[in-house]
Amino acid sequence: DIQMTQSPSSLSASIGDRVTITCRASQSIGRNLNWYQQKPGKAPSLLIYIASSLQSGVPSRFSGSGSGTDFTLTISSLQPEDFATYYCQQSYSIPRTFGQGTKVEIK
Amino acid sequence: QVQLQESGPGLVKPSQTLSLTCTVSGGSISSGSHFWSWIRQPAGKGLEWIGRLYTSASTNQDTSLKGRVTMSVDTSKNDFSLKLSSVTAADTAVYYCALGDSRDDAFHIWGQGALVIVSS
Repeated sequence: DIQMTQSPSSLSASIGDRVTITCRASQSIGRNLNWYQQKPGKAPSLLIYIASSLQSGVPSRFSGSGSGTDFTLTISSLQPEDFATYYCQQSYSIPRTFGQGTKVEIK
Repeated sequence: QVQLQESGPGLVKPSQTLSLTCTVSGGSISSGSHFWSWIRQPAGKGLEWIGRLYTSASTNQDTSLKGRVTMSVDTSKNDFSLKLSSVTAADTAVYYCALGDSRDDAFHIWGQGALVIVSS
């Protein structure tokens, strides 16, 4: 199975900050990487697919990059509604696997 | 806009079979380049992929569940189902159904989730 490792596991940031979350795969997965946002008590929602494609309706402050084993999710200017947990997920091989999550909290 | 809703017992006894159904509304389960997935999340933990199925009935599942998973689709009812046999407390989780797009292999639409507790 492909292991997905996110860093950091949590971070504290202020409104307006630029936030970067990293996801590393245990082997090359091309660009087969998706990002999700999950708020407490809610289902995850898709932010980014195929490493850098923005899901319809997702604000442009979110962006994704990377290929191979190293990927990043960037929030260019953190907004109050962005405080949540973020997960990466590989869609290269079965079983699909997720990172452990990165919790973004208010500083 | 397609919506998904999980349903099923919220409490299952150890060694029994967990059964959940995901009802699809706002669209046909047979349309488009879609697949249908089950994902779970133990309390306070991350997301775990269980498996996926297509309306052709082909399936993939996480082998770590050791063949305990059965997934099926009912196009006449516009729903799909999950059965997980021989459950233990470790299977206690919120179970999500999700719609995936074969063109990008991402989970585009999720149900709200169903909490299933395994306890005697």
